[in-house]
Amino acid sequence: DAKTTQPPSMDCAEGRAANLPCNHSTISGNEYVYWYRQIHSQGPQYIIHGLKNNETNEMASLIITEDRKSSTLILPHATLRDTAVYYCIVRTLSGYSTLTFGKGTMLLVSP
Amino acid sequence: DTGVSQDPRHKITKRGQNVTFRCDPISEHNRLYWYRQTLGQGPEFLTYFQNEAQLEKSRLLSDRFSAERPKGSFSTLEIQRTEQGDSAMYLCASSLELTGGGNYGYTFGSGTRLTVV
Repeated sequence: DAKTTQPPSMDCAEGRAANLPCNHSTISGNEYVYWYRQIHSQGPQYIIHGLKNNETNEMASLIITEDRKSSTLILPHATLRDTAVYYCIVRTLSGYSTLTFGKGTMLLVSP
Repeated sequence: DTGVSQDPRHKITKRGQNVTFRCDPISEHNRLYWYRQTLGQGPEFLTYFQNEAQLEKSRLLSDRFSAERPKGSFSTLEIQRTEQGDSAMYLCASSLELTGGGNYGYTFGSGTRLTVV
């Protein structure tokens, strides 16, 4: 799986949009971008994934650049409960690939 | 279905003892994964099963570690002769892998926190 680069930490005010960047300049054509988050003392939680089109679900939006070398996870109205470590992962959907986590971005949402 | 369950949540053991953890995946999921996470790091892959077959093992999985999924349902992870370096959170996840490819995300349990003293 290709590697990703994320800032180690970010701050966001409650109610504002949180925009978490991820660089994946060596991504292959068949690799998807996945985002997970991990709240303290819990297991990681799936957020969203995409290939090349922007995606939105009830949790977040995923914006992938046209060249697919970077992406941004957007939490439109961050709450205190969104404080967590956010992991950006690229992987194929082939039968034998698994998730490889980096260190992620620690997002702190403050009142 | 209440998700992926792991038991126990916490385990404290003396160095040299054996420990066993259990994971109950989401029932319709055919894949089960074990990860280990130490403080300040992301989860590290250990091994995974497709049904009852163990398909991949990380080099992190030393000879003291063994995992089983005897009937393709729950799984156990055993660590023999524990060492202080084994202290970590052990996470289990499951997923539904579709024929011909396609995986729509892992569901993780809350983990078992192991402390070796």
